[in-house]
Amino acid sequence: EVVLTQSPATLGVSPGERVTLSCRASQSVSTNLAWYQQKPGQSPGLLIYGASTRAIGVPDRFSGSGSGTDFTLTISSLQSDDFAVYYCQQYDFWPRTFGQGTKVEIK
Amino acid sequence: DVQLVESGGDLVQPGGSLRLSCAASGFKFSTYWMSWVRQAPGKGLQWVAHIKKDGKEKHYVDSVKGRFTISRDNGKNSLYLQLNSLTADDTAVYYCARVKPRHCIDENCYPGSFDSWGRGTLVTVSS
Repeated sequence: EVVLTQSPATLGVSPGERVTLSCRASQSVSTNLAWYQQKPGQSPGLLIYGASTRAIGVPDRFSGSGSGTDFTLTISSLQSDDFAVYYCQQYDFWPRTFGQGTKVEIK
Repeated sequence: DVQLVESGGDLVQPGGSLRLSCAASGFKFSTYWMSWVRQAPGKGLQWVAHIKKDGKEKHYVDSVKGRFTISRDNGKNSLYLQLNSLTADDTAVYYCARVKPRHCIDENCYPGSFDSWGRGTLVTVSS
């Protein structure tokens, strides 16, 4: 199974800061990688698919990059609505797997 | 608007069974792969199962193989998950999710990311 390792586990950030989250795969998943945002008490929502394509309605402050084994989610200027847990997920292989998540919290 | 509404979650004893349902609306259900994803309390997301649009191809995470069965009724726009031989490790919120096509060759689309999620239904396994 493809193991996705996200770092850091927790990130303390101030509004307006630039945020970079990492997701590393144990083997190449090409660009078959997605990012999701989950706020407390809510279901996850798709942010990025194909490693770098924003989902419908996602603000352009969110961007994704990478291919193969190393991926990055960047939030250019963190807004108060962005404090949440972020998960990466690969859909190149069975079983589908998620990273353990990065919690972005207020510093 | 896409809507996915799960139901059927409950408190069940170890070894028991449960059937979860997901009612879909706002899109052509019969043309999409569908999936179940679960989240144990305070934990991360875990993919459980996928089913192809015609129901003829299914995939499961190893930990549920032989115990869970994913199915669908395209005439009722509904997705199901039959859970048998439940253990405490199956305690989680179970989400129904629509699968975005990754790419398509003729009418055969490969499953990609999860582009719509329901609110989830809680399954608690405890004596």
